[in-house]
Amino acid sequence: QSVLTQPPSVSGAPGQRVTISCTGSSSNIGAGYDVHWYQQLPGTAPKLLIYGNSSRPSGVPDRFSGSKSGTSASLAITGLQAEDEADYYCQSYDSSLSGPVFGGGTKLTVL
Amino acid sequence: EVQLVESGGGLVQPGRSLRLSCAASGFTFDDYAMHWVRQAPGKGLEWVSGIIWNSGRIGYADSVKGRFTISRDNAKNSLYLQMNSLRAEDTALYYCAKGGGYSIRENFDYWGQGTLVSVSS
Repeated sequence: QSVLTQPPSVSGAPGQRVTISCTGSSSNIGAGYDVHWYQQLPGTAPKLLIYGNSSRPSGVPDRFSGSKSGTSASLAITGLQAEDEADYYCQSYDSSLSGPVFGGGTKLTVL
Repeated sequence: EVQLVESGGGLVQPGRSLRLSCAASGFTFDDYAMHWVRQAPGKGLEWVSGIIWNSGRIGYADSVKGRFTISRDNAKNSLYLQMNSLRAEDTALYYCAKGGGYSIRENFDYWGQGTLVSVSS
């Protein structure tokens, strides 16, 4: 059972918009710790997609955006493309566990 | 270009030990926290351990506390993970990851390709 809760899967057609939720608690997201998102393409290492709740590293398309409110965060992907098919993970810091924590991951399928 | 290259994985019997290494390049190693993150076959990501730039603060996941020891050698731009009393549930791909800043509370902005650890008799 992951500390941060994500839906196991989401799907959308090319060109559509999808969102992935990440729900935490008062000891992590709700305590004000930043949320970060990672994309893991099949057979590859994770890649930082969004950091500090809503910032994109250089090279990440602006089709990817992040937001945070209360004890939850969301990743939105607009203009869905076949190459976006991957696993997506949220991550924050938990003060009770004294360490970083991940969501269980969400598999995005592009129909 | 940031590069993180892990080594030291392999097949080991339960109860035995293994030492992982991560060679870093392309950034000022002693400016950043470093971490080990693992991924069991077909499963999600799990943070294992992190260490700040001067080794002054170290953290471990409860699942490995007391069995694993993280360390770093800034002179050699290297990160290590000493894994003792290995269990079947430690079987995973172990990633070396660079912290986004000096604290272990931040993101992981670069990842290696991982080294596979298999614990089985």
